[in-house]
Amino acid sequence: IAGITQAPTSQILAAGRRMTLRCTQDMRHNAMYWYRQDLGLGLRLIHYSNTAGTTGKGEVPDGYSVSRANTDDFPLTLASAVPSQTSVYFCASSEKPSSYNEQFFGPGTRLTVL
Amino acid sequence: AQTVTQSQPEMSVQEAETVTLSCTYDTSESDYYLFWYKQPPSRQMILVIRQEAYKQQNATENRFSVNFQKAAKSFSLKISDSQLGDAAMYFCAYRSRLGRLYFGRGTQLTVWP
Repeated sequence: IAGITQAPTSQILAAGRRMTLRCTQDMRHNAMYWYRQDLGLGLRLIHYSNTAGTTGKGEVPDGYSVSRANTDDFPLTLASAVPSQTSVYFCASSEKPSSYNEQFFGPGTRLTVL
Repeated sequence: AQTVTQSQPEMSVQEAETVTLSCTYDTSESDYYLFWYKQPPSRQMILVIRQEAYKQQNATENRFSVNFQKAAKSFSLKISDSQLGDAAMYFCAYRSRLGRLYFGRGTQLTVWP
């Protein structure tokens, strides 16, 4: 089934540890995004990539890094996790970065940093 | 940066009745898209409906319709003949010409039998 997969589904992590959230799409979409969802705050953009080989910062990029080595994969890395990074993380993609293209979302990763 | 405001943290409706969820946004752009996403307890984000800013006609998808008032920067969602399966968190979102999506804080909809 075509779509976006994220791994892991959930994770409990000790503060200070490094963690990479994986995201893969098989729709050959050019643009990909990482959001975090916190209670009462909706979804906020962390980083994005308009095409393979390029990345950009969103609203809340501090403490996170991304890479886009190919079209399908867009991993998000927390170099040294802190409790404030406890959240649900969504990966999304769209065919093109322009405004009329729908963004498709993955199932999310629930991350708890203790 | 664009802001999206959903002033109703929670709403409730009786099954088969109609409910309207409010959304306002702030932007200086003239070309953009607006979306309503539904997030049920499964956590999956599901697109409900979208509106192109340059189209005056309000979008409709079966029981879901919008009231788009561009001058007022308002984009409300009307759900007709509400069903138990409509219970979810609803997010209004604005997409800029650069493609970035800005979300409101959400409205939790409860549907009573």
